[in-house]
Amino acid sequence: QSALTQPPSASGSPGQSVTISCTGTSSDVGGYKYVSWYQQHPGKAPKLMIYEVSKRPSGVPERFSGSKSGNTASLTVSGLQAEDEADYYCSSYAGSNNLLFGGGTKLTVV
Amino acid sequence: EVQLLESGGGLVQPGGSLRLSCAASGFTFSSCAMSWVRQAPGKGLEWVSLISGSGGSTYYADSMKGRFTISRDNSKNTLSLQMNSLRAEDTAVYYCAKGVSSGWSDSFDYWGQGTLVTVSS
Repeated sequence: QSALTQPPSASGSPGQSVTISCTGTSSDVGGYKYVSWYQQHPGKAPKLMIYEVSKRPSGVPERFSGSKSGNTASLTVSGLQAEDEADYYCSSYAGSNNLLFGGGTKLTVV
Repeated sequence: EVQLLESGGGLVQPGGSLRLSCAASGFTFSSCAMSWVRQAPGKGLEWVSLISGSGGSTYYADSMKGRFTISRDNSKNTLSLQMNSLRAEDTAVYYCAKGVSSGWSDSFDYWGQGTLVTVSS
């Protein structure tokens, strides 16, 4: 199975909103409500930001939201802040106890 | 405070073996599935393997089946990954990650800092 498809980069100005997409197939993103999003700053471990498409773990700001339509999931960051600059990865259950990650998107706050 | 501390990484020759460990603390270890996720230098994340909280169920990514073995010792709060027949493409930082449930878990709420495995002659 191939990795999920994410745009290599995204950018926005402080205060703006930016949306990052994650495209899969009906066998993964489209077939299950198990999409997660992770934030990773350079040299650091990933941090869970969204799970089960749109749920936020405790401590994650409400500025981060997730959604899904068909085979594409999305992460929206509203009210961009400088500290949001990081790499973002989506993941999805792919059936048969298999998990796929996306290739990652580098978010730049310009 | 949840802590995950990986160890065991290093330089190994192609075809060689290595055993990674992850010491966990700050949560009820036996109640949580645990996973290994790797990241090749400058690349994205790749799921490697997962083990249920009881240790009774194990799962592997296709490219790792037959070469890697995940295990856990709930009496010592330790997760392990035995890696055999290593290839250059296995070079990566290997992260230990805590699952959000005890059985199959598709998301991970805590991660260690990772241990680097380099496969090279």
